[in-house]
Amino acid sequence: AQTVTQSQPEMSVQEAETVTLSCTYDTSESDYYLFWYKQPPSRQMILVIRQEAYKQQNATENRFSVNFQKAAKSFSLKISDSQLGDAAMYFCAYRSPGGGSEKLVFGKGMKLTVNP
Amino acid sequence: AAGVIQSPRHLIKEKRETATLKCYPIPRHDTVYWYQQGPGQDPQFLISFYEKMQSDKGSIPDRFSAQQFSDYHSELNMSSLELGDSALYFCASSPGTSNWDEQFFGPGTRLTVL
Repeated sequence: AQTVTQSQPEMSVQEAETVTLSCTYDTSESDYYLFWYKQPPSRQMILVIRQEAYKQQNATENRFSVNFQKAAKSFSLKISDSQLGDAAMYFCAYRSPGGGSEKLVFGKGMKLTVNP
Repeated sequence: AAGVIQSPRHLIKEKRETATLKCYPIPRHDTVYWYQQGPGQDPQFLISFYEKMQSDKGSIPDRFSAQQFSDYHSELNMSSLELGDSALYFCASSPGTSNWDEQFFGPGTRLTVL
C-alpha cells in the first residue's frame, strides 16, 4: 500500500518570504499522481498543484511550485512571496493510476502560519 | 461554476442513531468519493462509485453503507452511530474520463455524535 509522510507538523513563514513544505511517499508503482491540497480554517479542501510521475518537469502554478524527485520519492511544495491567505493546513496526497483505484492517500498534513 | 453540494452541512446525532449524508456531484461527473476526516486528522478514504457501481472500498465500517443513484448523487448511510464517528465527511466528484481528473471536494458535512 502506498504511504505519504509529512514529517513537519507545523511551519511558520514571514509574509512575502518563501517557504518549502516537504513530503515523501512510498510506492512500488512507476506511474502515479501527486497533489498538494490546502485546507484553510473553513475546512474546504482546495487543490493547489499536481504532478504526474512520468513528467520530469516540475509543476508550477503562480507562486506555487514543486520539486519532484522521483528516485528519492520526494515531492516538496515551495510557496513564494507568502501571503496571509496562504495560512492553512497543507496535505500532500498520492493517487494511483486508473482502474477503479483512484482514491487519494493523504499525508498527516502540515499547519502553515504566515506572520505579518 | 457549479460545485459539489453536500447536505446537511451540520448534523448532530445521539449514539446508536442513524444518519444519512447526501452528495450531489458536479454535473456530468460520474465518479463520487467519500472521505472521513476526524479532528486533527488527514482525510481517510471510505468508498467510491463510478457510474453507479462501487469502484473501491477503504476503511469503511460495516455499519456504514453507501450508494450512487441514477442521477449520480450519492448517499452515505451510517447506523448505530458511535462517538468516534464524529468527523467531517467529504464528498468529492470527478469526471471519470482520465487518470488526470481532479477530485473536486464538497464543503463537507460535520457530524457530531453525542
